[in-house]
Amino acid sequence: EAGVTQSPTHLIKTRGQQVTLRCSPISGHTSVYWYQQALGLGLQFLLWYDEGEERNRGNFPPRFSGRQFPNYSSELNVNALELEDSALYLCASSLSGFEQFFGPGTRLTVL
Amino acid sequence: GDSVTQMEGPVTLSEEAFLTINCTYTATGYPSLFWYVQYPGEGLQLLLKATKADDKGSNKGFEATYRKETTSFHLEKGSVQVSDSAVYFCALSEVQSNTGKLIFGQGTTLQVKP
Repeated sequence: EAGVTQSPTHLIKTRGQQVTLRCSPISGHTSVYWYQQALGLGLQFLLWYDEGEERNRGNFPPRFSGRQFPNYSSELNVNALELEDSALYLCASSLSGFEQFFGPGTRLTVL
Repeated sequence: GDSVTQMEGPVTLSEEAFLTINCTYTATGYPSLFWYVQYPGEGLQLLLKATKADDKGSNKGFEATYRKETTSFHLEKGSVQVSDSAVYFCALSEVQSNTGKLIFGQGTTLQVKP
């Protein structure tokens, strides 16, 4: 069974640009979660999508947004990139809302 | 709010040594508890889990017991290998409040030397 996949693997952007990260959940999973792992800040919850709806968001500014598609895949968009947005962005999926299974992450570098 | 505290790292052990990584939590209600492992350059892998008091999660020789009275979920392994070198995260899930999010500890780096 394929796990959670994310693309791209790495990304380099400059300040002020916009970026889109993609996530495909495990087949059959309807919930997708996004987390940011920034150096020195640990793992921070960003967003939770379930059945196409945003269910919860963490303490991040509105320039972090996303959506979930009918096939349950998801995109995370970050506008007006700032240097401190440099981080590993992790996507996770879940069927029951209990266990979350993570993808390999997208490493974003903002210059 | 809910929180997770892990012991400071890095932890450096020789191969075949006994491992304990301490994890304590603060939560309202009865969270589910997890240990995740992150190998260099990779995402998180679920290592083990427990959903209620006195549950013992186990996987790949690692164990952790959900202790409600001490609000702890310490990770243990009897004999570590070089391949266990990684960052270990303790996490809780706010199941009852249904926020969807996992709350993570700061992570503990384990280095095992041959």
